[in-house]
Amino acid sequence: DVVMTQSPLSLPVTLGQPASISCRSSQSLVYSDGNTYLNWFQQRPGQSPRRLIYKVSNRDSGVPDRFSGSGSGTDFTLKISRVEAEDVGIYYCMQGTHWWTFGQGTKVEIK
Amino acid sequence: EVQLVQSGAEVKKPGATVKISCKVSGYTFSDYYIHWVQQAPGKGLEWMGLVDPEDGETKYAEKFQGRVTITADTSRDTAYMELSSLRSEDTAIYFCATGSKYWGQGTLVTVSS
Repeated sequence: DVVMTQSPLSLPVTLGQPASISCRSSQSLVYSDGNTYLNWFQQRPGQSPRRLIYKVSNRDSGVPDRFSGSGSGTDFTLKISRVEAEDVGIYYCMQGTHWWTFGQGTKVEIK
Repeated sequence: EVQLVQSGAEVKKPGATVKISCKVSGYTFSDYYIHWVQQAPGKGLEWMGLVDPEDGETKYAEKFQGRVTITADTSRDTAYMELSSLRSEDTAIYFCATGSKYWGQGTLVTVSS
């Protein structure tokens, strides 16, 4: 099974400052079709997960452009260029190449 | 607009079975897998398995193999997740999802004697 490892697990940030979350997979996420099915989700308290990024770096519609994804192979990163109050929540990476596996989650909070 | 609407909260006793539904609208039901994800209180997301509504084929995570059954009824555009031999650790919110973008609102299952 693919293991997804996120770091840090807790991320206190100052409003307006950047934030970065790392996600590593135990094996390559490149699928036989050449795509890399690595997604990023945001989950606010009491809500369903919301997908922000799909296939490493593609923003879903309605997602602010301060969110960006990058990486390849087994190493991936989610960046928030300038954190806003509404960004508070838990962020998960998820691989969809070998069925689904989620990272442990990173809790983003305001300092 | 794609929507996944799940059935309501359940309270079950240990050893019982729960069956949750997920009704979809806004797209052709048979075009995409339906996945089920468990989230225990204060914990992360854990994939349970999926069904291909087109042919009913399933794939289950090892942790839930033998206790979970996921089905799809194309006449009702509805998927189901049945979890048996319930124990307190199964107390959780269960989500259905499709294409990873669209998620149901979640169903709380409480297992308590």
